Amino acid sequence: RKEVEQDPGPFNVPEGATVAFNCTYSNSASQSFFWYRQDCRKEPKLLMSVYSSGNEDGRFTAQLNRASQYISLLIRDSKLSDSATYLCVVNPFGGYNKLIFGAGTRLAVHP
Amino acid sequence: DVKVTQSSRYLVKRTGEKVFLECVQDMDHENMFWYRQDPGLGLRLIYFSYDVKMKEKGDIPEGYSVSREKKERFSLILESASTNQTSMYLCASNGGYEQYFGPGTRLTVT
Repeated sequence: RKEVEQDPGPFNVPEGATVAFNCTYSNSASQSFFWYRQDCRKEPKLLMSVYSSGNEDGRFTAQLNRASQYISLLIRDSKLSDSATYLCVVNPFGGYNKLIFGAGTRLAVHP
Repeated sequence: DVKVTQSSRYLVKRTGEKVFLECVQDMDHENMFWYRQDPGLGLRLIYFSYDVKMKEKGDIPEGYSVSREKKERFSLILESASTNQTSMYLCASNGGYEQYFGPGTRLTVT
């Protein structure tokens, strides 16, 4: 079983749609959680951290369910510029930030 | 702005060659990382370093070695390149929780 699992997609949605990505992780002792965004042929960049209480950044909402070992990302009012691959990332150890990356979920927003 | 640079965007090498990939960061970060990224597998950690001359194996260190002689520079070495090392190689650094990545080197071994 992979340590971090994501639906690879692609998710093809029209502009303005709401789309949700899910991710599961295997290590119940994991310390911290993130979503990174990777544009085509570019490097990954941090989108947002994920907290147990849930957190929101504009159109983006991230949720963590520790009991189910499940992380989600909700994007409301999708824009063309949201087209990218979204990487679910887990830090199982704390400390030096040795991160475990999911393989990513690809999102394509069309007009 | 944090900047992580990698020596080459594209490299083509022959099987058996020794390959050096260089990474430099300008933010005085303690920790530096080398990953490879392959379709369907995501980013996998090859090696990381938490200080000058300190290194630890990641999940897939076989066939690779690293060098960190200066804080800002972290080098990945393929001792004898093989075709299964054809991949995108990404360097990263962090001083806090966020990892900053370089633009990547696409290595093709023929």
